[in-house]
Amino acid sequence: GENVEQHPSTLSVQEGDSAVIKCTYSDSASNYFPWYKQELGKGPQLIIDIRSNVGEKKDQRIAVTLNKTAKHFSLHITETQPEDSAVYFCAARLTFGQGTILTVHP
Amino acid sequence: DAGITQSPRYKITETGRQVTLMCHQTWSHSYMFWYRQDLGHGLRLIYYSAAADITDKGEVPDGYVVSRSKTENFPLTLESATRSQTSVYFCASTPSGAFGEQFFGPGTRLTVL
Repeated sequence: GENVEQHPSTLSVQEGDSAVIKCTYSDSASNYFPWYKQELGKGPQLIIDIRSNVGEKKDQRIAVTLNKTAKHFSLHITETQPEDSAVYFCAARLTFGQGTILTVHP
Repeated sequence: DAGITQSPRYKITETGRQVTLMCHQTWSHSYMFWYRQDLGHGLRLIYYSAAADITDKGEVPDGYVVSRSKTENFPLTLESATRSQTSVYFCASTPSGAFGEQFFGPGTRLTVL
């Protein structure tokens, strides 16, 4: 089955800094890589995703990059704001990473 | 437009009791999923369903039973609850295909004493 590793488990940044979260996966057949944001007391919500035929995708301050050869993909958040504070999960197939707690300090 | 709902939102039970967590979606999505969320483990798939009357095991199915007699409902039953099943349970759905964007419910926090 698929195995997904996510790092770091916690990330603390100052408002305005960039944040990067990385994931690796094991199954070369995986071709869809979503990122979810989970706020306290709520279910995860998709923020951005990428398919294997694309190397990078951007949506305003959020971007995802994919390296299929190395089997890793990353979430990049620029100009972080306090409201970006949350838990972020990557996924491949139906396997989720362990989550990253992002804290943005004003 | 209710989307996907779960009930109850909070449940306390005792070891050995049977508990059923409900999940209902109003979109007629074909795929539905049950996950449990524990610190340090992220979200782990318990069971999923591709359509009514079609269910499959996920990563951690032991101790759980599911059914899907109607497309919109996907209940999860703990036949004899154990303390290790204390967790937050999330239901999710996707409109088509197993590997697309998942829409999650608000979760059920279950405590087994």
